Amino acid sequence: ETGVTQSPTHLIKTRGQQVTLRCSSQSGHNTVSWYQQALGQGPQFIFQYYREEENGRGNFPPRFSGLQFPNYSSELNVNALELDDSALYLCASSLVGGAWDGANVLTFGAGSRLTVL
Amino acid sequence: AQTVTQSQPEMSVQEAETVTLSCTYDTSENNYYLFWYKQPPSRQMILVIRQEAYKQQNATENRFSVNFQKAAKSFSLKISDSQLGDTAMYFCAFMKHRGAQKLVFGQGTRLTINP
Repeated sequence: ETGVTQSPTHLIKTRGQQVTLRCSSQSGHNTVSWYQQALGQGPQFIFQYYREEENGRGNFPPRFSGLQFPNYSSELNVNALELDDSALYLCASSLVGGAWDGANVLTFGAGSRLTVL
Repeated sequence: AQTVTQSQPEMSVQEAETVTLSCTYDTSENNYYLFWYKQPPSRQMILVIRQEAYKQQNATENRFSVNFQKAAKSFSLKISDSQLGDTAMYFCAFMKHRGAQKLVFGQGTRLTINP
């Protein structure tokens, strides 16, 4: 089975620009979550998508938005980039609706490192 | 709101030794899940072990085991016979039993295994 893949792996933007990060979920998974991990910190939950709708959101402003597509892949969009948006953005997929035992454990990708100058 | 605290920013042990990483959490929930994730330099979060709060028995996965103390809200990870490949950042995380699958992470512990 394929794991979670994210693109791009690294990118540099300037303040005020917009960025789109992409995530392909693990085969058989139907839910995608996004996390922001600042340098030296633990990841923070941005939001989760299930059945193409946002299903829970962390403490992030509306300029952080997302999409989930019918094939369960996902995009994270960030508008009006700020310097503090520099971070590793992690995508994780899971299966919701299956048995707990291992089925809905989150599987993470390797992340997209965003640098805002 | 839930919080997770890891009080050891860095730890270092010799290969083959046993090491214990500490984690405490705060929640008013009764049913929840606790996890330890490993993040090597490759950046991908890898699940090490998980514990369901309603299970009293401590989880074990090969060389990895936990000491889950629900009343004390403590969840430590013990790594036995440590190996060089165990070198990584380790994150403790909490998830509520219901609702969005939102993981709340601690700040992490950087573990170095020395040859």
